Amino acid sequence: DTAVSQTPKYLVTQMGNDKSIKCEQNLGHDTMYWYKQDSKKFLKIMFSYNNKELIINETVPNRFSPKSPDKAHLNLHINSLELGDSAVYFCASSLGTDNGQPQHFGDGTRLSIL
Amino acid sequence: QQPVQSPQAVILREGEDAVINCSSSKALYSVHWYRQKHGEAPVFLMILLKGGEQKGHDKISASFNEKKQQSSLYLTASQLSYSGTYFCGTRYSGTYKYIFGTGTRLKVLA
Repeated sequence: DTAVSQTPKYLVTQMGNDKSIKCEQNLGHDTMYWYKQDSKKFLKIMFSYNNKELIINETVPNRFSPKSPDKAHLNLHINSLELGDSAVYFCASSLGTDNGQPQHFGDGTRLSIL
Repeated sequence: QQPVQSPQAVILREGEDAVINCSSSKALYSVHWYRQKHGEAPVFLMILLKGGEQKGHDKISASFNEKKQQSSLYLTASQLSYSGTYFCGTRYSGTYKYIFGTGTRLKVLA
């Protein structure tokens, strides 16, 4: 059983399109995250939800909108895709927001903008 | 505010040892270590919570200095499977924001 699953694994699309990435975790965790990993491999937090409530909203263009319908799901919708959005997007979850909780990552979604 | 890791990259032969450092200008609440193999997700290795703490399992261990501004990851008798990019991660006081370090690419050669 996959603990944190993301779909799709690969996403190739054209500039200007709108796309969504879905994430689900079956670990019973309360906290979920979206990260962006660029070509230099830097991992940067974008959003975090705790019990469906947004707790982290980094300086991300408002073309990016997260949505958490329940504790087990955190989706990411991106409007008007741009070339600079090409990256690997990782979903992760942790038991809670406590400092001692490790994060469990999904396999990532490789987004390529043509 | 991003923790700085050193070295940026290291190449080893099987059986050699390596040390990866993670440094911050501010005290860290805790430090987490992850390894990411090429094309895969980061995988959790260990967490250190207290200044002066040391912990480890198998041939990978880590320390957290007393001031909680530096952590080191020790890889002894490296194996091919240790290859990947290592990240430290942390959260600063008063924020939920989780920050990863700059990363260290490690390659172990046969």
